[in-house]
Amino acid sequence: EAGVTQFPSHSVIEKGQTVTLRCDPISGHDNLYWYRRVMGKEIKFLLHFVKESKQDESGMPNNRFLAERTGGTYSTLKVQPAELEDSGVYFCASSLGQGISPLHFGNGTRLTVT
Amino acid sequence: AQKVTQAQTEISVVEKEDVTLDCVYETRDTTYYLFWYKQPPSGELVFLIRRNSFDEQNEISGRYSWNFQKSTSSFNFTITASQVVDSAVYFCALSEAGYGGSQGNLIFGKGTKLSVKP
Repeated sequence: EAGVTQFPSHSVIEKGQTVTLRCDPISGHDNLYWYRRVMGKEIKFLLHFVKESKQDESGMPNNRFLAERTGGTYSTLKVQPAELEDSGVYFCASSLGQGISPLHFGNGTRLTVT
Repeated sequence: AQKVTQAQTEISVVEKEDVTLDCVYETRDTTYYLFWYKQPPSGELVFLIRRNSFDEQNEISGRYSWNFQKSTSSFNFTITASQVVDSAVYFCALSEAGYGGSQGNLIFGKGTKLSVKP
């Protein structure tokens, strides 16, 4: 089966611009997660979708970040306007069901804000 | 507070050596899950193992083994007879079951970069 796919793999934007990251989960996986790793720090949870609904968005840093999952398939994470501290690697993960299935991660999108 | 500590930032070994990656966790929950993920140079996080807090049995999978000890809040990972392909960043993670039963909200350590030289 195809794994979790993230696009783009790398994005370089200027401070103040907008960037949209996309994640295609494994087909049939209802759970979709976004994580990010800022340079030198831990990988941190951002939010969790169950199908198209946000189950938990407690990790979203501020209202410059907007995640959507229309139709319960792929998800987008928009950063608007981007700030320097948003630079890092954004990971998407999906899982089949709650409580049992491990998370399958994508390769991540490396975001650089200059 | 929940926390995962991987004190070893980088480890370098020569092929065929055994190597242990340390992981110490903190949690207030009695029910929780522990994970190890591998991040090879290609970037994706590859799931290696999940352990729940009620299962302290050590696990072996080929050259990989895991030692879970609740008494010391540790979940260490040993690679026996390391190979160059084992070079990667390894992450230990914790999930508390109180999170609606889902294991998706993972708390990661900072990772240990393992370099295996030929």
